[in-house]
Amino acid sequence: AQSVTQLGSHVSVSEGALVLLRCNYSSSVPPYLFWYVQYPNQGLQLLLKYTSAATLVKGINGFEAEFKKSETSFHLTKPSAHMSDAAEYFCAVSEAGTALIFGKGTTLSVSS
Amino acid sequence: NAGVMQNPRHLVRRRGQEARLRCSPMKGHSHVYWYRQLPEEGLKFMVYLQKENIIDESGMPKERFSAEFPKEGPSILRIQQVVRGDSAAYFCASSPPRAGGYSGELFFGEGSRLTVL
Repeated sequence: AQSVTQLGSHVSVSEGALVLLRCNYSSSVPPYLFWYVQYPNQGLQLLLKYTSAATLVKGINGFEAEFKKSETSFHLTKPSAHMSDAAEYFCAVSEAGTALIFGKGTTLSVSS
Repeated sequence: NAGVMQNPRHLVRRRGQEARLRCSPMKGHSHVYWYRQLPEEGLKFMVYLQKENIIDESGMPKERFSAEFPKEGPSILRIQQVVRGDSAAYFCASSPPRAGGYSGELFFGEGSRLTVL
Protein backbone atom coordinates (compact mmCIF):
# COMPACT_ATOMS: atom_id res chain seq x y z
CA ALA A 1 0.00 0.00 0.00
CA GLN A 2 1.16 3.50 -0.74
CA SER A 3 1.99 5.96 2.02
CA VAL A 4 3.68 9.30 2.62
CA THR A 5 5.77 10.52 5.54
CA GLN A 6 6.52 14.18 5.98
CA LEU A 7 9.40 14.75 8.36
CA GLY A 8 8.77 17.70 10.64
CA SER A 9 5.30 19.01 11.31
CA HIS A 10 6.63 22.56 11.71
CA VAL A 11 9.51 24.28 9.93
CA SER A 12 10.61 27.84 10.66
CA VAL A 13 12.92 29.88 8.45
CA SER A 14 13.96 33.48 8.11
CA GLU A 15 12.97 35.51 5.10
CA GLY A 16 15.56 34.93 2.37
CA ALA A 17 16.70 31.59 3.78
CA LEU A 18 16.54 28.22 2.07
CA VAL A 19 13.30 26.29 2.46
CA LEU A 20 13.54 22.48 2.69
CA LEU A 21 10.45 20.39 3.38
CA ARG A 22 11.00 16.65 3.52
CA CYS A 23 8.82 13.91 2.07
CA ASN A 24 9.40 10.17 1.84
CA TYR A 25 7.00 7.84 0.11
CA SER A 26 6.22 4.17 -0.12
CA SER A 27 4.77 2.68 -3.28
CA SER A 28 4.79 -0.75 -4.87
CA VAL A 29 4.85 0.67 -8.40
CA PRO A 30 6.38 3.81 -9.93
CA PRO A 31 4.48 6.57 -8.19
CA TYR A 32 2.99 9.88 -9.11
CA LEU A 33 4.12 12.47 -6.54
CA PHE A 34 2.69 15.87 -5.70
CA TRP A 35 3.19 18.86 -3.46
CA TYR A 36 0.17 20.95 -2.55
CA VAL A 37 -0.01 24.18 -0.52
CA GLN A 38 -2.88 25.26 1.71
CA TYR A 39 -3.39 28.79 2.99
CA PRO A 40 -5.62 29.35 6.04
CA ASN A 41 -9.30 28.56 5.45
CA GLN A 42 -8.69 27.70 1.81
CA GLY A 43 -8.50 24.59 -0.30
CA LEU A 44 -5.34 22.96 -1.60
CA GLN A 45 -3.44 24.34 -4.56
CA LEU A 46 -1.02 22.28 -6.64
CA LEU A 47 2.60 23.43 -6.39
CA LEU A 48 4.18 20.78 -8.59
CA LYS A 49 3.93 17.16 -9.66
CA TYR A 50 6.21 14.31 -10.72
CA THR A 51 4.82 11.89 -13.29
CA SER A 52 7.91 9.89 -14.43
CA ALA A 53 9.43 12.55 -16.67
CA ALA A 54 12.35 14.69 -15.44
CA THR A 55 13.41 13.92 -11.87
CA LEU A 56 13.81 17.61 -11.03
CA VAL A 57 10.42 19.24 -11.14
CA LYS A 58 9.85 22.98 -11.11
CA GLY A 59 6.63 24.39 -9.78
CA ILE A 60 4.94 27.67 -9.07
CA ASN A 61 6.24 30.43 -6.80
CA GLY A 62 9.88 29.35 -7.20
CA PHE A 63 9.48 25.92 -5.61
CA GLU A 64 11.06 22.77 -6.97
CA ALA A 65 11.36 19.14 -5.91
CA GLU A 66 13.65 16.27 -6.83
CA PHE A 67 12.52 12.68 -7.19
CA LYS A 68 15.13 10.29 -5.79
CA LYS A 69 14.09 6.71 -6.31
CA SER A 70 17.02 5.25 -4.35
CA GLU A 71 16.02 7.29 -1.31
CA THR A 72 12.24 7.11 -1.95
CA SER A 73 12.19 10.86 -1.39
CA PHE A 74 10.57 13.88 -2.97
CA HIS A 75 11.77 16.86 -0.94
CA LEU A 76 10.49 20.36 -1.67
CA THR A 77 12.91 23.28 -1.81
CA LYS A 78 12.97 27.00 -2.47
CA PRO A 79 16.24 28.95 -2.49
CA SER A 80 14.91 32.07 -0.79
CA ALA A 81 11.85 32.16 1.46
CA HIS A 82 9.32 34.97 1.25
CA MET A 83 6.81 35.96 3.89
CA SER A 84 4.01 34.95 1.55
CA ASP A 85 5.30 31.34 1.58
CA ALA A 86 3.97 30.83 5.11
CA ALA A 87 1.36 28.11 4.75
CA GLU A 88 0.82 24.38 5.22
CA TYR A 89 2.42 22.07 2.68
CA PHE A 90 1.28 18.57 1.83
CA CYS A 91 3.11 15.84 -0.02
CA ALA A 92 0.94 13.25 -1.78
CA VAL A 93 1.41 9.99 -3.68
CA SER A 94 -0.79 8.05 -6.03
CA GLU A 95 -0.60 5.08 -8.33
CA ALA A 96 -2.38 5.17 -11.67
CA GLY A 97 -6.10 5.04 -11.15
CA THR A 98 -6.09 5.52 -7.40
CA ALA A 99 -6.88 8.46 -5.17
CA LEU A 100 -4.13 10.66 -3.78
CA ILE A 101 -2.79 9.70 -0.37
CA PHE A 102 -1.54 12.70 1.63
CA GLY A 103 1.04 13.15 4.32
CA LYS A 104 0.14 14.88 7.56
CA GLY A 105 1.47 18.20 6.37
CA THR A 106 4.24 20.60 7.32
CA THR A 107 3.50 24.11 8.53
CA LEU A 108 6.05 26.58 7.23
CA SER A 109 6.61 29.77 9.21
CA VAL A 110 8.67 32.63 7.78
CA SER A 111 10.06 35.36 10.03
CA SER A 112 11.37 38.73 8.99
CA ASN B 1 -14.09 28.74 -15.71
CA ALA B 2 -15.42 28.14 -12.23
CA GLY B 3 -13.43 25.90 -9.94
CA VAL B 4 -14.73 23.21 -7.65
CA MET B 5 -17.67 24.62 -5.72
CA GLN B 6 -18.55 23.41 -2.26
CA ASN B 7 -21.44 24.44 -0.08
CA PRO B 8 -22.14 25.24 2.57
CA ARG B 9 -18.75 26.64 3.56
CA HIS B 10 -19.72 26.40 7.23
CA LEU B 11 -22.30 24.14 8.79
CA VAL B 12 -23.29 23.81 12.44
CA ARG B 13 -25.26 20.81 13.60
CA ARG B 14 -26.31 19.41 16.97
CA ARG B 15 -25.52 15.85 17.89
CA GLY B 16 -27.94 13.46 16.22
CA GLN B 17 -28.79 15.71 13.29
CA GLU B 18 -27.90 15.10 9.65
CA ALA B 19 -25.28 16.98 7.66
CA ARG B 20 -25.33 17.23 3.87
CA LEU B 21 -22.34 18.63 2.04
CA ARG B 22 -22.48 19.40 -1.66
CA CYS B 23 -19.79 19.54 -4.30
CA SER B 24 -19.98 20.65 -7.92
CA PRO B 25 -16.86 19.59 -9.82
CA MET B 26 -15.06 21.72 -12.35
CA LYS B 27 -16.67 21.87 -15.77
CA GLY B 28 -15.74 18.83 -17.78
CA HIS B 29 -14.59 16.82 -14.76
CA SER B 30 -16.22 13.46 -14.20
CA HIS B 31 -14.35 12.22 -11.13
CA VAL B 32 -15.04 13.42 -7.58
CA TYR B 33 -13.13 12.71 -4.39
CA TRP B 34 -13.99 13.51 -0.78
CA TYR B 35 -11.37 14.05 1.91
CA ARG B 36 -11.65 14.87 5.62
CA GLN B 37 -9.13 17.11 7.37
CA LEU B 38 -8.56 17.10 11.09
CA PRO B 39 -5.93 19.27 12.83
CA GLU B 40 -2.48 17.66 12.86
CA GLU B 41 -3.72 14.72 10.77
CA GLY B 42 -3.61 15.95 7.21
CA LEU B 43 -6.19 14.93 4.64
CA LYS B 44 -7.73 11.51 4.90
CA PHE B 45 -9.21 9.98 1.76
CA MET B 46 -12.85 9.02 2.14
CA VAL B 47 -14.41 8.14 -1.20
CA TYR B 48 -13.90 8.35 -4.97
CA LEU B 49 -16.89 8.57 -7.30
CA GLN B 50 -17.75 8.87 -10.94
CA LYS B 51 -21.19 9.72 -12.22
CA GLU B 52 -23.63 7.23 -10.66
CA ASN B 53 -20.80 4.98 -9.47
CA ILE B 54 -18.76 4.61 -6.31
CA ILE B 55 -15.27 3.59 -7.41
CA ASP B 56 -13.45 3.41 -4.08
CA GLU B 57 -15.01 3.90 -0.66
CA SER B 58 -12.23 2.33 1.35
CA GLY B 59 -11.85 5.46 3.49
CA MET B 60 -15.50 5.85 4.42
CA PRO B 61 -16.60 5.00 7.94
CA LYS B 62 -18.83 1.94 7.85
CA GLU B 63 -21.76 3.62 9.51
CA ARG B 64 -23.58 6.95 9.18
CA PHE B 65 -21.57 8.17 6.16
CA SER B 66 -22.66 7.91 2.54
CA ALA B 67 -21.82 9.60 -0.73
CA GLU B 68 -23.38 9.88 -4.14
CA PHE B 69 -22.67 11.54 -7.45
CA PRO B 70 -25.91 11.44 -9.47
CA LYS B 71 -26.22 11.77 -13.21
CA GLU B 72 -27.49 15.30 -12.74
CA GLY B 73 -26.50 17.65 -9.96
CA PRO B 74 -23.70 17.87 -7.42
CA SER B 75 -22.02 15.15 -5.44
CA ILE B 76 -23.40 14.82 -1.91
CA LEU B 77 -21.61 13.65 1.22
CA ARG B 78 -24.19 12.75 3.84
CA ILE B 79 -23.50 12.22 7.52
CA GLN B 80 -26.36 10.89 9.58
CA GLN B 81 -26.70 11.24 13.35
CA VAL B 82 -23.63 13.41 13.65
CA VAL B 83 -21.36 13.17 16.68
CA ARG B 84 -18.76 15.65 17.97
CA GLY B 85 -15.98 13.60 16.40
CA ASP B 86 -17.40 14.39 12.96
CA SER B 87 -16.38 18.04 13.37
CA ALA B 88 -13.81 18.63 10.65
CA ALA B 89 -13.18 20.28 7.31
CA TYR B 90 -14.46 18.22 4.40
CA PHE B 91 -12.82 18.83 1.05
CA CYS B 92 -14.03 17.85 -2.35
CA ALA B 93 -11.72 17.49 -5.33
CA SER B 94 -12.33 16.71 -8.96
CA SER B 95 -10.31 15.50 -11.92
CA PRO B 96 -10.95 15.19 -15.65
CA PRO B 97 -11.67 11.95 -17.51
CA ARG B 98 -8.70 9.61 -17.80
CA ALA B 99 -8.73 9.48 -21.60
CA GLY B 100 -5.38 10.61 -22.92
CA GLY B 101 -3.43 9.52 -19.90
CA TYR B 102 -3.44 9.73 -16.15
CA SER B 103 -1.96 12.80 -14.50
CA GLY B 104 -3.31 12.26 -11.02
CA GLU B 105 -3.75 15.96 -10.37
CA LEU B 106 -6.75 16.89 -8.27
CA PHE B 107 -8.45 20.27 -8.16
CA PHE B 108 -9.78 21.17 -4.73
CA GLY B 109 -12.69 23.19 -3.47
CA GLU B 110 -12.38 25.49 -0.48
CA GLY B 111 -13.95 23.00 1.86
CA SER B 112 -16.98 22.72 4.10
CA ARG B 113 -16.34 23.14 7.79
CA LEU B 114 -18.67 21.11 9.95
CA THR B 115 -19.06 21.90 13.63
CA VAL B 116 -21.07 19.53 15.78
CA LEU B 117 -22.31 21.00 19.06
